[in-house]
Amino acid sequence: SQQGEEDPQALSIQEGENATMNCSYKTSINNLQWYRQNSGRGLVHLILIRSNEREKHSGRLRVTLDTSKKSSSLLITASRAADTASYFCATVNFGNEKLTFGTGTRLTIIP
Amino acid sequence: EAQVTQNPRYLITVTGKKLTVTCSQNMNHEYMSWYRQDPGLGLRQIYYSMNVEVTDKGDVPEGYKVSRKEKRNFPLILESPSPNQTSLYFCASSPATFKRQSEAFFGQGTRLTVV
Repeated sequence: SQQGEEDPQALSIQEGENATMNCSYKTSINNLQWYRQNSGRGLVHLILIRSNEREKHSGRLRVTLDTSKKSSSLLITASRAADTASYFCATVNFGNEKLTFGTGTRLTIIP
Repeated sequence: EAQVTQNPRYLITVTGKKLTVTCSQNMNHEYMSWYRQDPGLGLRQIYYSMNVEVTDKGDVPEGYKVSRKEKRNFPLILESPSPNQTSLYFCASSPATFKRQSEAFFGQGTRLTVV
């Protein structure tokens, strides 16, 4: 079963602009994680936010979490061509050990 | 170098011919899992293991088997592959369970085609 759903499914922006991706989920979570996947390759962990946190930063990444709306957003500032990839949110629910992934946002940075 | 290694990277096989995809991690992680990735469906968990000799079903376990005889290895076995198991497979490991705020480390993937 899928927990997270990313929005938009695809996003194209000019290099240097900011990119925002959203993730909605259905049940209460322990934590939420964001991953990046370059075309057909393994996923790479970007950032983790706990259910009691509202915002977290890591370099050019900013993640927010709104547990009342069951949603999270990932902001990439000053985008670069190398940011072109698919981005997935993944949730960890209370009561199980699984990392449940959404369907992803395909981000294209136009040089 | 810390990594999760899957083999083979690419595999074309025929329906019904048993196959094994190997997965090995060198980080002494307790938790390992297998996912399949299909267009429009994201990643779905097949099986996971919280430690040696401890395995459990994920969301889509039908048609798959796993074993965890050693901490570093977690092979995925398809006893009788069918075309609907054509997919991109990922192995992942984690130092602890995800409830403890652990992150997953992924292998490079195995693209399997069953004809």
